[in-house]
Amino acid sequence: AQSVTQPDIHITVSEGASLELRCNYSYGATPYLFWYVQSPGQGLQLLLKYFSGDTLVQGIKGFEAEFKRSQSSFNLRKPSVHWSDAAEYFCAVAQAGTALIFGKGTTLSVSS
Amino acid sequence: GAVVSQHPSRVICKSGTSVKIECRSLDFQATTMFWYRQFPKQSLMLMATSNEGSKATYEQGVEKDKFLINHASLTLSTLTVTSAHPEDSSFYICSARTGFGRAGNTIYFGEGSWLTVV
Repeated sequence: AQSVTQPDIHITVSEGASLELRCNYSYGATPYLFWYVQSPGQGLQLLLKYFSGDTLVQGIKGFEAEFKRSQSSFNLRKPSVHWSDAAEYFCAVAQAGTALIFGKGTTLSVSS
Repeated sequence: GAVVSQHPSRVICKSGTSVKIECRSLDFQATTMFWYRQFPKQSLMLMATSNEGSKATYEQGVEKDKFLINHASLTLSTLTVTSAHPEDSSFYICSARTGFGRAGNTIYFGEGSWLTVV
């Protein structure tokens, strides 16, 4: 069965510092991969997705993610974090036509 | 862009009553809709998958008689929580998928519905 692991429950970074959120998946074939952000009490916002092609994916709000097949990873990065980036981040995996399966999420706190 | 609308965004109901949550795809036809539940500070857990015109497929551990899902048209799916209990209080989110194959993995999420059972 496919699964998603986000090893870090909570991360704190300083404003202006770089960020990397880890995501590992377990799946037999190349999955479709997603990163979502959720602010408290709000719904989900899609940051970026990977279906195929270039393994470095650019998303909204200055985020990017790199698909590494050999490591079964899809880590999310941002070169300079802003205080408004503080939120819950979810990595998700799907195969064609199926529902997204979500990781447990990583809470990002931004310190000034 | 495509929009999925959920209604109501917040609802409070008394224990033992039923409450219905609607999920509408506003500008596309959703071949499949998914319902998720999210407890506070937890991840989203898939409850069921519904295809228009057919019975929903429920995930293990989800009571189909308690969480009634109807997908009567290509733009509307409803989740009815029957005989609600306080432990059903949660954030319910729907998502809608358009098309099939690679295009079918364009999935849009609703804004979610907060259910509080008192």
